[in-house]
Amino acid sequence: AQSVTQLGSHVSVSEGALVLLRCNYSSSVPPYLFWYVQYPNQGLQLLLKYTSAATLVKGINGFEAEFKKSETSFHLTKPSAHMSDAAEYFCAVGRTSYDKVIFGPGTSLSVIP
Amino acid sequence: EPEVTQTPSHQVTQMGQEVILRCVPISNHLYFYWYRQILGQKVEFLVSFYNNEISEKSEIFDDQFSVERPDGSNFTLKIRSTKLEDSAMYFCASIGGGQETQYFGPGTRLLVL
Repeated sequence: AQSVTQLGSHVSVSEGALVLLRCNYSSSVPPYLFWYVQYPNQGLQLLLKYTSAATLVKGINGFEAEFKKSETSFHLTKPSAHMSDAAEYFCAVGRTSYDKVIFGPGTSLSVIP
Repeated sequence: EPEVTQTPSHQVTQMGQEVILRCVPISNHLYFYWYRQILGQKVEFLVSFYNNEISEKSEIFDDQFSVERPDGSNFTLKIRSTKLEDSAMYFCASIGGGQETQYFGPGTRLLVL
């Protein structure tokens, strides 16, 4: 069975500091991996996805993530945090693009001015 | 850019009442999904639908739930007799047309009193 863990239910960073949100997955097949962002009282917005192409994936709003098979990780980073990055971030996994998406528990990111 | 739409955005109902949540997937998509997110928790898969039948459902999706594609554009989730614990945000998603990522709608927030 597939599953996703996200280390740290809440992360605080200073504005301008590096953002690092951790995600580890388990999957019996090469996975499709996703990061979604959810702003307060809003829906899910796709930040980026890994679908077996390049291991370093660039997404919207300056975010990127690196797929490391040996570590079963897909951590999300952004070099410099902005106040507008404050939101809930979900890592997710699927077996194929048409399979159900399994979400992690989420990490709430706070950005301190 | 095409998007998935959901109506209503908010719904309040009394326990035991039937509710129907509506979704209009992207027009050339063939796979449809419902997910839910209880307040403060992660997003959970409910059901997937393809070729006019359920392709997979979770243990959450019991006999109180049903899905239907009544015409060529709508995809509905019906809860026959709502319980307090059905209060959640319900997301519809769709994929198709060679896409690699499910597109999520903005969600319907259901409150059962």
